Amino acid sequence: DTAVSQTPKYLVTQMGNDKSIKCEQNLGHDTMYWYKQDSKKFLKIMFSYNNKELIINETVPNRFSPKSPDKAHLNLHINSLELGDSAVYFCASSQETGVNSPLHFGNGTRLTVT
Amino acid sequence: AQKITQTQPGMFVQEKEAVTLDCTYDTSDPSYGLFWYKQPSSGEMIFLIYQGSYDQQNATEGRYSLNFQKARKSANLVISASQLGDSAMYFCAMRLSGYSTLTFGKGTMLLVSP
Repeated sequence: DTAVSQTPKYLVTQMGNDKSIKCEQNLGHDTMYWYKQDSKKFLKIMFSYNNKELIINETVPNRFSPKSPDKAHLNLHINSLELGDSAVYFCASSQETGVNSPLHFGNGTRLTVT
Repeated sequence: AQKITQTQPGMFVQEKEAVTLDCTYDTSDPSYGLFWYKQPSSGEMIFLIYQGSYDQQNATEGRYSLNFQKARKSANLVISASQLGDSAMYFCAMRLSGYSTLTFGKGTMLLVSP
């Protein structure tokens, strides 16, 4: 059973298009996240949701819009894709927001914008 | 603001030897958690080990141990008896109390040779 699953695994699209990445976790966690990993492997937080409520939005362009229909799902919609959006996007979840709570990551979605 | 520094872009080790991956951190918050993740070439993020700021003993998980030196603000990962499958990118990360996420270092690429 996959704990955190995200689809699709690969996404190739042209500039200007709109695309979505879906994420689901079956761990019963309350908190979910989106991270972006750039070409140098640096991981940066984009959004964090706790019980469907947005709690962290790290200066991400408003072309990126997360949506959490319930606490098991956190989807990411990207409008008007740009070349610089090419990256690997990771969804993650944690049981709580405490310091001792590790994040469990999905396998990532490699987005390529041409 | 918290900061994680991994000064070794790459490390080489022979199979069956031990290796230490360095991590230093900077925070004024007395309560924090330190985490190590492994990212193999297949891309997934694997949680390895956790150390809390108030933990008196160094964390251990199988062949992984964390050399926690609080006064020096360092949390080095020690991998004993390296295996070929340990070849991967390793990330150190920190989490503060409250509604915070994981902040990652830039990573260290470990290559294990036969």
